Amino acid sequence: EAAVTQSPRSKVAVTGGKVTLSCHQTNNHDYMYWYRQDTGHGLRLIHYSYVADSTEKGDIPDGYKASRPSQENFSLILELASLSQTAVYFCASSGPGLGGSQNTLYFGAGTRLSVL
Amino acid sequence: AQRVTQVQPTGSSQWGEEVTLDCSYETSEYFYRIFWYRQLFSGEMVFLIYQPSFDTQNQRSGRYSVVFQKSFKSISLVISASQPEDSGTYFCALSELRNNNAPRFGAGTKLSVKP
Repeated sequence: EAAVTQSPRSKVAVTGGKVTLSCHQTNNHDYMYWYRQDTGHGLRLIHYSYVADSTEKGDIPDGYKASRPSQENFSLILELASLSQTAVYFCASSGPGLGGSQNTLYFGAGTRLSVL
Repeated sequence: AQRVTQVQPTGSSQWGEEVTLDCSYETSEYFYRIFWYRQLFSGEMVFLIYQPSFDTQNQRSGRYSVVFQKSFKSISLVISASQPEDSGTYFCALSELRNNNAPRFGAGTKLSVKP
């Protein structure tokens, strides 16, 4: 069974502080993603990676950095957290290629971040 | 710019009814895939079904099927014999090769199935 584990599950941060969200997958997948979910916006892509030591910007990368030190681990870093970054953050992984279920996303349980 | 649109923010049905949820998308690619996911009330995201652009046959998986209208760039998820356990938020997502297949999601449709 594919597994994606996020930590922490919830966090309260102060404005201007640094926040690191971690994601670990045991799926042997090449692709990993970070999304944020806000009411009415669905899931929006922040950063993604298709190989270790490389990350790509998604649609809303401003204010976020990403790190992929290994195939299994993908972190999202908020250097200076702001109120507008309060949201639920989802990590996901998927396999490469075009066909079959390999591009199906396997999601973590999400991290609820509140910036005060 | 919004690439995936789900115009129904909410939907409802009665137990046993067929439910149709709509999604439209923008793409200039020939090869792409549309995925449907359901978010449970716990927040968990569950994969339901996907449609590849090159397949003219509507995909089916259990009680889920899609109506793929490629020329209109629209796709509907059809849930047959809906049950209260089907309640949740349904998302469609577009995956394009030019974007490294990174899926983009619609805003979702929150479905309530009444007993």
